[in-house]
Amino acid sequence: DTGVSQDPRHKITKRGQNVTFRCDPISEHNRLYWYRQTLGQGPEFLTYFQNEAQLEKSRLLSDRFSAERPKGSFSTLEIQRTEQGDSAMYLCASSPRRSDEKLFFGSGTQLSVL
Amino acid sequence: GESVGLHLPTLSVQEGDNSIINCAYSNSASDYFIWYKQESGKGPQFIIDIRSNMDKRQGQRVTVLLNKTVKHLSLQIAATQPGDSAVYFCAENGAGGGNKLTFGTGTQLKVEL
Repeated sequence: DTGVSQDPRHKITKRGQNVTFRCDPISEHNRLYWYRQTLGQGPEFLTYFQNEAQLEKSRLLSDRFSAERPKGSFSTLEIQRTEQGDSAMYLCASSPRRSDEKLFFGSGTQLSVL
Repeated sequence: GESVGLHLPTLSVQEGDNSIINCAYSNSASDYFIWYKQESGKGPQFIIDIRSNMDKRQGQRVTVLLNKTVKHLSLQIAATQPGDSAVYFCAENGAGGGNKLTFGTGTQLKVEL
């Protein structure tokens, strides 16, 4: 399968712990996006990269959230000092540069903060 | 502020019937709209898209209609099948570009046998 890959699929953590999620985009895509989805809602944009450059991060929910894409390939999303309100599905998507704006999504990482 | 909303949270149809899912958007600057399908435990899957210079686009068994005058988008699914059961989201790109899609809350489509 050459689609967007996310790891882990599920993460259970205790409040106050740090968590990190990984996303591997489709190999020829240079844009990578992170979204968050809570139950019954549509995905909510968080941040995106073009190659290794993070072009927008103002939508990250707080300074506890950070994302990196150091080599312009895979990306990580870290949440520090997790809170119960962080429980959600974290989705990664990618798109090629010269195309329409269609995003290809991974299956997400489901985070549960106890 | 900008928002994308759906008129009905749940739509039940009989297998073989046509389905119509509606969506209202509020950002006049949006020039690109997409429909995604999301099955339980999976990420959104692209169905069809349309640019604002068009008012209709057809795919395989799906048609998207765009009415810019009333800021309305619809997804029509012909001969609905059990495999079409999922949550459907419309999304718009807003004014900022960069593929920062704004999604609606979704419509649950249930196909009854």
